[in-house]
Amino acid sequence: GAGVSQSPSNKVTEKGKDVELRCDPISGHTALYWYRQSLGQGLEFLIYFQGNSAPDKSGLPSDRFSAERTGGSVSTLTIQRTQQEDSAVYLCASSLGRGQETQYFGPGTRLLVL
Amino acid sequence: DQQVKQNSPSLSVQEGRISILNCDYTNSMFDYFLWYKKYPAEGPTFLISISSIKDKNEDGRFTVFLNKSAKHLSLHIVPSQPGDSAVYFCAAKDNTDKLIFGTGTRLQVFP
Repeated sequence: GAGVSQSPSNKVTEKGKDVELRCDPISGHTALYWYRQSLGQGLEFLIYFQGNSAPDKSGLPSDRFSAERTGGSVSTLTIQRTQQEDSAVYLCASSLGRGQETQYFGPGTRLLVL
Repeated sequence: DQQVKQNSPSLSVQEGRISILNCDYTNSMFDYFLWYKKYPAEGPTFLISISSIKDKNEDGRFTVFLNKSAKHLSLHIVPSQPGDSAVYFCAAKDNTDKLIFGTGTRLQVFP
């Protein structure tokens, strides 16, 4: 079956521009997560959506970062006025929901801010 | 404050031998632990997990051990194969559902 998909796979942008990253979770998964991995670092939690509940935004590093999930499926992560320190691999994961702990990851979007 | 620590950034093991990857954590509220494997330019792939009520979980060549009193878990791969060469991430979860990851250990299995 189809796994988590993300687009674009790579994105190069200029400092100050806005970017949108997309995630399509596994069909039927109610929980969706965004993480990022900076060079040489582990995965850092950004935001978590569970069904119709208010998202857990506790990992967003600044107010330039936002995410939404439409119709309980596709999610977009938006970074406004990008900075060079935003360069990282942005990973999306999904899971069946509360009590189902295993998260399945997409291939990631590699963002480079020049 | 790193709640999940993988103190060995790399490990090199000969094919056929055992690979042991270690992970330490500080938060006693963690109730579920997972290991992920990551190849370059790919997302992490789930490998094996363990609940805090258990001390061992085995799946084929992979076994995870949990020592709650020491706040330590380890992943054993035996026998190691060249295809196991990848970066291995330890992750932990509390009741907030998000995963806290370690910084990873790069395993290289050589012939």
